[in-house]
Amino acid sequence: DAGVIQSPRHEVTEMGQEVTLRCKPISGHDYLFWYRQTMMRGLELLIYFNNNVPIDDSGMPEDRFSAKMPNASFSTLKIQPSEPRDSAVYFCASRHRGGYTFGSGTRLTVV
Amino acid sequence: GENVEQHPSTLSVQEGDSAVIKCTYSDSASNYFPWYKQELGKRPQLIIDIRSNVGEKKDQRIAVTLNKTAKHFSLHITETQPEDSAVYFCAASGLTGGGNKLTFGTGTQLKVEL
Repeated sequence: DAGVIQSPRHEVTEMGQEVTLRCKPISGHDYLFWYRQTMMRGLELLIYFNNNVPIDDSGMPEDRFSAKMPNASFSTLKIQPSEPRDSAVYFCASRHRGGYTFGSGTRLTVV
Repeated sequence: GENVEQHPSTLSVQEGDSAVIKCTYSDSASNYFPWYKQELGKRPQLIIDIRSNVGEKKDQRIAVTLNKTAKHFSLHITETQPEDSAVYFCAASGLTGGGNKLTFGTGTQLKVEL
């Protein structure tokens, strides 16, 4: 199994631009999570899906953030418009039972 | 919602010594407690986990203990090695229904010195 696959690994964008982060969970995992990691706030849960359905999006910071999971093998996290304070590492994780498996993350820098 | 507190935030030990990291949680319904290790620039990786029906679990040099009454759990690393240097995160969640989301502690930077 290739694990949880995220793309891109690094993204540098200008303030105001749209950013789309992508995630492919492990096959057979029915939960998918998006986390954001910063030095100041640690690992924050943004949103999670169960069987492609959003269950809890209370961690999504603003309306600028949106996430979709059109099928069991793909999810996106979109930021529009992006701001410098969105700079962070964004992790996707999936699970079936027990512990999460994290992807390698996307390091987002908004300048 | 769940709140997880983790201490200490930094820990420095000599190679061969033991290291202990402690966490407390607030939601008595939580029943799953994993520990993750994150090396610099890499993803968090699960190193050990424990469920609420067990008080202790061991895997080679790593052990985790759980006290449900006091709502705290700890990670113990024995015979530390330089490659144990990393940030360690505890977490808590339920395993069913709306409790599937993991709430993480703030992390402990462990440094193993030669």
